Amino acid sequence: AQSVTQLGSHVSVSEGALVLLRCNYSSSVPPYLFWYVQYPNQGLQLLLKYTTGATLVKGINGFEAEFKKSETSFHLTKPSAHMSDAAEYFCAVRRSGGYQKVTFGTGTKLQVIP
Amino acid sequence: DADVTQTPRNRITKTGKRIMLECSQTKGHDRMYWYRQDPGLGLRLIYYSFDVKDINKGEISDGYSVSRQAQAKFSLSLESAIPNQTALYFCATSDQTQNTGELFFGEGSRLTVL
Repeated sequence: AQSVTQLGSHVSVSEGALVLLRCNYSSSVPPYLFWYVQYPNQGLQLLLKYTTGATLVKGINGFEAEFKKSETSFHLTKPSAHMSDAAEYFCAVRRSGGYQKVTFGTGTKLQVIP
Repeated sequence: DADVTQTPRNRITKTGKRIMLECSQTKGHDRMYWYRQDPGLGLRLIYYSFDVKDINKGEISDGYSVSRQAQAKFSLSLESAIPNQTALYFCATSDQTQNTGELFFGEGSRLTVL
C-alpha cells in the first residue's frame, strides 16, 4: 500500500518569503513522486516529478523538491513567494514498475500575503 | 484549445436524475481516468481505462459507471444522482509509453446534486 501525508491544509506566507510545503509518503517499493498545482477554477498541472536519478528536482515557476528516502519526504520549496503562487498544491505518489495507481495527498492551500 | 476537454463545466441537478460527464482528449494517450475532488480529501480515483476494451474500477466506483467510446473519449455517468455525489470531477490522461504516472488533467466539471 502507499499513502501521502501533507502537513498543513492551509499555509500563509508573505510575498518574498520562503515557501515550504511538506509531504511525507509511504511506499513499499521505490516511489515516483509528484507535485501538482491547482489554480482557482482550473485543473491540476504538474509542477515537478521525481522518478529516478538526482534527488533534487527543479520544476516550473521556481519551485523545487528534494527526495529524501531516509525521511520518506518530498517537500516543496520556493525561495521567494510571489502573489501568483497562491493556489492549492497536491503531493502524489505511485510505485515504480508497470502500471501503478497514483495516490494523492489531501492538498495544501497556499495564501500569499502582500 | 485544451488538450483534455470536459463538458459540462458546471451542472446542477436533482436527486435521482441521470447525469453524464464527458471527456475528450487530443493528446493521443491510451490511458484515461476519472477522479473526484472533495475539500479536504484530495483526489480519489473513480474509474480508469487503458484502452477501449479495458475499464477498471477505482477506489470509489459505487454509484458511477463509465463508457470508453473511442480512444479519445471517456464518459462518466451517475445513474441516479444523490447529494453526496456533489463534487468537482476531473478527467485525466497519461502516456503509457512514458509510464511515469504523470497525469494530464481537464479543467474539471463541478456537479451539484440538490
